[in-house]
Amino acid sequence: EVRLVQSGAEVKEPGESLKISCKVSGYSFTNYWIGWVRQMPGRGLEWMGIIYPGDSRTRYGPSFQGQVTISADKSITTAYLQWSSLKASDTAMYYCARETSSGARDYWGQGTLVTVSS
Amino acid sequence: QSVLTQPPSVSGAPGQRVTISCTGSSSNIGAAYDVHWYQQLPGTAPKLLIYGNNNRPSGVPDRFSGSKSDTSASLAITGLQAEDEADYYCQSYDTSLRGVFGTGTKVTVL
Repeated sequence: EVRLVQSGAEVKEPGESLKISCKVSGYSFTNYWIGWVRQMPGRGLEWMGIIYPGDSRTRYGPSFQGQVTISADKSITTAYLQWSSLKASDTAMYYCARETSSGARDYWGQGTLVTVSS
Repeated sequence: QSVLTQPPSVSGAPGQRVTISCTGSSSNIGAAYDVHWYQQLPGTAPKLLIYGNNNRPSGVPDRFSGSKSDTSASLAITGLQAEDEADYYCQSYDTSLRGVFGTGTKVTVL
């Protein structure tokens, strides 16, 4: 069974750093892209970026380039999304998802709620 | 940055047919990239509904169908049911090899 299990909700202050995770099981981690999606409160889905764990190739959406870092650890089949300095505008639900060769995201994590507030 | 435009909302009575449009451009849908559709029920993660323009994953009812033409795509729901009330998003890629989601459509069952 394919599963993507994300880390728990986070409450942070502006300027703090954060790394959230997406633990994968049930398929070959290195053979599929993993993507991250942002959903701000009451808003739509935004394509943040993707990583190919096999060789760590990454691509970022224009709005997220330089704002976040996507990484993966093959040894523990886990993908990560991290910030070096959070802003209040980073408050959102973040989802990881497996991406197929056609670009469709067929399996999703349950989401991680990140709240940034002073 | 690529944009896929959807109507903010559509509605229909139970049993009716509704369609949701997804309008792109020559740099995304029109560049021959596949279109995929997701359903997001309130408070839950999105779920893949249609992939590769018109294919349903196992378990998705055949009431849902997709089509694509030129720079746009459509999702049709026939025999609308109360459980179909949700947000729906299209998604494709653009020529910079970045993905893009549609603006989202809320479906209301009257």
